[in-house]
Amino acid sequence: ILNVEQSPQSLHVQEGDSTNFTCSFPSSNFYALHWYRWETAKSPEALFVMTLNGDEKKKGRISATLNTKEGYSYLYIKGSQPEDSATYLCAFMRNNDMRFGAGTRLTVKP
Amino acid sequence: ETGVTQSPTHLIKTRGQQVTLRCSSQSGHNTVSWYQQALGQGPQFIFQYYREEENGRGNFPPRFSGLQFPNYSSELNVNALELDDSALYLCASSPTGTGGYGYTFGSGTRLTVV
Repeated sequence: ILNVEQSPQSLHVQEGDSTNFTCSFPSSNFYALHWYRWETAKSPEALFVMTLNGDEKKKGRISATLNTKEGYSYLYIKGSQPEDSATYLCAFMRNNDMRFGAGTRLTVKP
Repeated sequence: ETGVTQSPTHLIKTRGQQVTLRCSSQSGHNTVSWYQQALGQGPQFIFQYYREEENGRGNFPPRFSGLQFPNYSSELNVNALELDDSALYLCASSPTGTGGYGYTFGSGTRLTVV
């Protein structure tokens, strides 16, 4: 069973706060872990694709880490801005089957 | 480069009917995956097509079927619609089916079954 868990379900922060969320996934037969940002009324947009244990990726104020041995990934947002408000989805890939978590809904208040 | 286009954007069907949803993949992508997203849940994997062949399937009954065409566009067909099939259906394309590249998603088709 490919269960992907994300926490928290939702998060409200003030502009300028830094925040992070967690994605947990099965640690066996790992192939890839994806992070997506999904803004309301838009399509999910790929942020990171991570394949190696210990991977760290960064795009502007957003970064992610990966631990495949213990089955978790963290997404960090430094200095949150209102435009960061979105649902952040992680997806675990194994055997051509990519399973998504339910997402973390982030709201950044000005 | 064009993105992923899905049609129609919204659809209302009656229980027991059949529906076909369409997806055009991004230029250069040969793999299309379909997902169902019910309210409050993450996208659930339906199936993936790679070079016109089914390349993986999630836990959906056989009345969910698909096709991929030589230009790599794809269709999702659902027969004998049930009320629980009401959801957002997302299509995503990628350069390969292996997951080493990020998927490009369409905006989805919102299906309502009444």
